[in-house]
Amino acid sequence: DVVMTQSPLSLPVTLGQPASISCRSSQSLLSSDGNTYLSWLQQRPGQSPRRLIYKVSNRDSGVPDRFSGSGSGTDFTLKISRVEAEDVAIYYCMQTTHSSTFGQGTKLEIK
Amino acid sequence: EVQLVESGGGLVKPGGSLRVSCEALRFTFSNAWMSWVRQAPGKGLEWVGRIRSKSDGGTIDYAAPVKGRFTISRDDSRNTLYLQMNSLKTEDTGVYYCITAGGGLWGQGTLVTVSS
Repeated sequence: DVVMTQSPLSLPVTLGQPASISCRSSQSLLSSDGNTYLSWLQQRPGQSPRRLIYKVSNRDSGVPDRFSGSGSGTDFTLKISRVEAEDVAIYYCMQTTHSSTFGQGTKLEIK
Repeated sequence: EVQLVESGGGLVKPGGSLRVSCEALRFTFSNAWMSWVRQAPGKGLEWVGRIRSKSDGGTIDYAAPVKGRFTISRDDSRNTLYLQMNSLKTEDTGVYYCITAGGGLWGQGTLVTVSS
């Protein structure tokens, strides 16, 4: 099974400041079709998760452009350029190249 | 609006069975690969299993903790995904989400509680 490791697990951030979350996979997520199926999800308190980013760097419809994804192979990053109060949530990376697995989650809070 | 709506959760005793359902609204369900994901209380997300579309073979993969106990199926004529859970354990307690396999669409979840 592919293990997804996120860091940090807790992320206190000042409003208006940037934030960055790392996700590493135990094997390459590059698929035989040339795509890398790494997504980022946001789960606000009391809500279902919502996908923000798919295939490493593509924003889903309606996702603010302050969210961006990057990376390749086994190392991936989610960046928020300027954190807003509505960004308080747990963020998960998710791979769907080899069946599917999730990272442990990173809890973003306002400092 | 496209939507996934789960139902069928509830309280069941250890060793018991339960079937949860997920109805897909306003999208072409038959073409979609679908997954089940669960979340124990206060914990992270755990993938349960995935079923491919019939046109892609309809094959099913399961996570190790549920293999041999859980069965995923689909009825494309009813736009519905199912999760049959047998030999339930207390550690199966959680919210069960139906999702498109790429994670782009999530249901609201249905709570399954396994307790005596």
